[in-house]
Amino acid sequence: DQQVKQNSPSLSVQEGRISILNCDYTNSMFDYFLWYKKYPAEGPTFLISISSIKDKNEDGRFTVFLNKSAKHLSLHIVPSQPGDSAVYFCAARSHAGGTSYGKLTFGQGTILTVHP
Amino acid sequence: NAGVTQTPKFRILKIGQSMTLQCTQDMNHNYMYWYRQDPGMGLKLIYYSVGAGITDKGEVPNGYNVSRSTTEDFPLRLELAAPSQTSVYFCASSYPKGEFFGPGTRLTVL
Repeated sequence: DQQVKQNSPSLSVQEGRISILNCDYTNSMFDYFLWYKKYPAEGPTFLISISSIKDKNEDGRFTVFLNKSAKHLSLHIVPSQPGDSAVYFCAARSHAGGTSYGKLTFGQGTILTVHP
Repeated sequence: NAGVTQTPKFRILKIGQSMTLQCTQDMNHNYMYWYRQDPGMGLKLIYYSVGAGITDKGEVPNGYNVSRSTTEDFPLRLELAAPSQTSVYFCASSYPKGEFFGPGTRLTVL
């Protein structure tokens, strides 16, 4: 039962163009969504997040969009740079019980390659 | 701050052997987690802890055990290693925005 899905295993983009990574979820209890970036032989690092009360969050070149009715979120990277080449994981959390913390459910990841 | 540190980085085990993966964080976070990542898959939660002395099972706890005697340390124990436990193991600690991950331990069971 894959509650968070990233259906594109890989994405290839030219430097300077936009990268769009997609993520779908099935659990309506998820109310907080995160994107992580992972380089080989390193642990994932937090990139950007969005609460379910918002539909957009921006941080520099990175913007996350949330469409609750479609249970879909996307990460936009503009402009893409070769250093952005990595695996990107979408993750979701349910703040059941009112705590600020919770277990993360991850998607399978999308390998982004940005060509110079 | 070192963040989240994990040892060892790599390990090869024989079937039936046991080992402990070490995890330490110096950020005074109460919440800590162990995940495993299999090739082509996302991370799956093995065990987590909400504070010293409190642990609970995640999605894939079978074959593992944990303890949390201090806020800093959260070791993961494999008692009888099996080939299905070949994976990369990540320890993490939580802050409100997200989680800090360690660099991982690559474990192979032959």
